[in-house]
Amino acid sequence: DAGVIQSPRHEVTEMGQEVTLRCKPISGHNSLFWYRQTMMRGLELLIYFNNNVPIDDSGMPEDRFSAKMPNASFSTLKIQPSEPRDSAVYFCASTSSGTDTQYFGPGTRLTVL
Amino acid sequence: AQSVSQHNHHVILSEAASLELGCNYSYGGTVNLFWYVQYPGQHLQLLLKYFSGDPLVKGIKGFEAEFIKSKFSFNLRKPSVQWSDTAEYFCAVSPSGTYKYIFGTGTRLKVLA
Repeated sequence: DAGVIQSPRHEVTEMGQEVTLRCKPISGHNSLFWYRQTMMRGLELLIYFNNNVPIDDSGMPEDRFSAKMPNASFSTLKIQPSEPRDSAVYFCASTSSGTDTQYFGPGTRLTVL
Repeated sequence: AQSVSQHNHHVILSEAASLELGCNYSYGGTVNLFWYVQYPGQHLQLLLKYFSGDPLVKGIKGFEAEFIKSKFSFNLRKPSVQWSDTAEYFCAVSPSGTYKYIFGTGTRLKVLA
């Protein structure tokens, strides 16, 4: 099993640009999570999907952030426009109903200049 | 509000020393408990988990954790650390039957060779 796949692994962009982060969950998993990790705030849950439907987006910082899951094998997290304070590592995780164990991807390190 | 406390933010040990990292949570109901490890530059990996049964849980790489319900604690232990254990360790709590993980702020462990 390839595990959770994220791309890109590193992204450097300038303030105001649009950023799109991608995630492919483990095959057969029906829940997907986006987290943000910073030194100041640790790991924060941004949004949770179950069966491709957003269930809880209360952690999304503001309207500049949006996430989609068009099918069971792909999700995107978009930031438009990006700001320097968005610099962080963004992790995607997936799980299947009944296991209660989340498996994390390698993360995308985002730097907004 | 539900929260997870990891009191030790930074720990430095010599090889072969014993390790204990504290984790306390605040939640009155039944929980699932996890320890994840994040090696430098890598993603979070599951070390061990507790759902029910024997409160002493053994994980990978010689780690174990003990759930003490009366103390709302789930401390991580290893009798003899190695240089390769240098990493950041995260405790996470998930109320049973929910998707949500609440992460602690992490403990950075440095093992001196």
